[in-house]
This record gives sequence, structure tokens and C-alpha cells, in this order.
Amino acid sequence: NAGVTQTPKFQVLKTGQSMTLQCAQDMNHNSMYWYRQDPGMGLRLIYYSASEGTTDKGEVPNGYNVSRLNKREFSLRLESAAPSQTSVYFCASSEVWGYGYTFGSGTRLTVV
Amino acid sequence: RKEVEQDPGPFNVPEGATVAFNCTYSNSASQSFFWYRQDCRKEPKLLMSVYSSGNEDGRFTAQLNRASQYISLLIRDSKLSDSATYLCVVKRDTNAGKSTFGDGTTLTVKP
Repeated sequence: NAGVTQTPKFQVLKTGQSMTLQCAQDMNHNSMYWYRQDPGMGLRLIYYSASEGTTDKGEVPNGYNVSRLNKREFSLRLESAAPSQTSVYFCASSEVWGYGYTFGSGTRLTVV
Repeated sequence: RKEVEQDPGPFNVPEGATVAFNCTYSNSASQSFFWYRQDCRKEPKLLMSVYSSGNEDGRFTAQLNRASQYISLLIRDSKLSDSATYLCVVKRDTNAGKSTFGDGTTLTVKP
């Protein structure tokens, strides 16, 4: 019963480096999301994919790109990491858009 | 003004106490409401949906007040294991309506 799997769990990047966060779900969910959570703050939506083949910007998309590779996988790419992107990143999925999220365990990213 | 606002707390209560959190929302078009629980350094998990008539799940009761635009979560007979951050989530009920998370209310239950 894996649910939503995110890799890596921890990452340290230098400013300007790039990386891709991977997310896969095995629940046959249609919608997938990427959120970031900063200390003492709520979750902010970066990008989402309401269904396979579509992606859209959320509240804080600048500096990120996404790919919905197939129904299971939704990746988040940082092209040129900045210290402001230091955060905990959560991937989530839901069967129906906007309802009943299942979250992955998160990626703790530090940009130095 | 934030679309969803919660008292950040922390709420520090003894075991066995009853505690209640409120969450206010600004958009009257909001139609669906949820409470999530997030343990320290873990992912959020769905605790319960909030129905118009109110709903109960064991020691937890959720209520919705549309007139005043807030939802509440009541925890009775608090346990040490209830210590967590509670996030309210508000969704506009349109095809494009997104969910907005509150910043969370932190609860610490002490022996």
C-alpha cells in the first residue's frame, strides 16, 4: 500500500543547480499536485495536473516546471535553484479534483 | 485578508480536556470544507470532511457556520496522541475551484 511516493526525501543544492523531484502514485488517481510548505505556514500550491495530459500553474509557480509523465507520475523541476526555494515539498494526488488529497511524505530541500 | 484564516495557537491543554479550533474563510462561494492533521515533520492526512449538518467521528466533531463563514473542530477527551497541527481546507465548488489550506493550529496535549 505505497500510496504516494516521493523521491528524494532530503536534498541539498547549491544556488544555480537544477534538480527534479519525482512523485508517483499507485491509486489510479486522476489529479496530482505539488505544494511547498515553509515554516509556520500553510501549504501553497505550485502546480497541479487535474488529469493526465494537463498541467496548470498554482499560486507560486515561478522558478518551477512540471511534467505529468503518465497517470501515475508527476515530476517537479527546479531549473536554477535559489535560497528562496528552501522548503518542504509535498506531492499529493486525489481521485477527484480538489477532494480527498493523499500526500507523499515530502522532500526537504535546502538551497545554499 | 487571507482566504482562509486559523488561530495558529499553540493550544496547550491537559489530557482529558475539550478543545475547539475555528477556521474562517472569506469567499462565500466556498462549498466544501475539510480538516487535515499534520504531525511534526510528516505529511498532512485527511481527518474529516465537514458537512452542512455537522458531523462527528468518535471524539471529533466538525461544524460549519455558513452565515458567519467559519468551520470548527471540537476534540473531546484529548489524548497525548492528538498533539499535532490541524489544517483547515476550503474549496470553491466549481470545476476549476481550487482548495486553499489554512496555516494550521498547533495543539499540544500534556500529561
